[in-house]
Amino acid sequence: ETGVTQSPTHLIKTRGQQVTLRCSSQSGHNTVSWYQQALGQGPQFIFQYYREEENGRGNFPPRFSGLQFPNYSSELNVNALELDDSALYLCASSIDGDYGYTFGSGTRLTVV
Amino acid sequence: DQQVKQNSPSLSVQEGRISILNCDYTNSMFDYFLWYKKYPAEGPTFLISISSIKDKNEDGRFTVFLNKSAKHLSLHIVPSQPGDSAVYFCAASIPRGYQKVTFGTGTKLQVIP
Repeated sequence: ETGVTQSPTHLIKTRGQQVTLRCSSQSGHNTVSWYQQALGQGPQFIFQYYREEENGRGNFPPRFSGLQFPNYSSELNVNALELDDSALYLCASSIDGDYGYTFGSGTRLTVV
Repeated sequence: DQQVKQNSPSLSVQEGRISILNCDYTNSMFDYFLWYKKYPAEGPTFLISISSIKDKNEDGRFTVFLNKSAKHLSLHIVPSQPGDSAVYFCAASIPRGYQKVTFGTGTKLQVIP
């Protein structure tokens, strides 16, 4: 059984650019959540996808968007990148109703 | 507004002794609490959880205590082992149609051999 895999592991982008981060869920998991972890902070909830629908969102602007595919893999898209978007982006998968997320190792995004 | 607070950024404990990690929360609507452990270059790993209807949950060396009136929970690790050295995140959730988990800022535990 594979866990949650995220790609790429590291990424450097310029302010104003767009970025797509990818996540493959653990086998059998139908829920994907995305979190942003800034340096020295805990992960902050961005949004959650359940069976290809966004069913919850945190306090992030609309330029943060996502997709979940029929195989339950997911993408996080961020448009018009800002310096403050520099962070570790974590993807977590679970089975509906289960709080015991399985997290990926994250994508470290640096915006310069 | 930090609804889940871990006021100790770091903690050092001798191997074999008890580690106590503390967490306070402000939102009385939280009804489910979790602890995650994170090693460098890895994602957080679920450790243990507790529902608001309980005041204690044990899993091997790990015990979580919940004091709802004080809005406080703690994680006890007994005995502590060097492999327990990691960042521990306290987290909480409100019942809703989706699983939004609010994390604290983490406590870095160092277990000294």
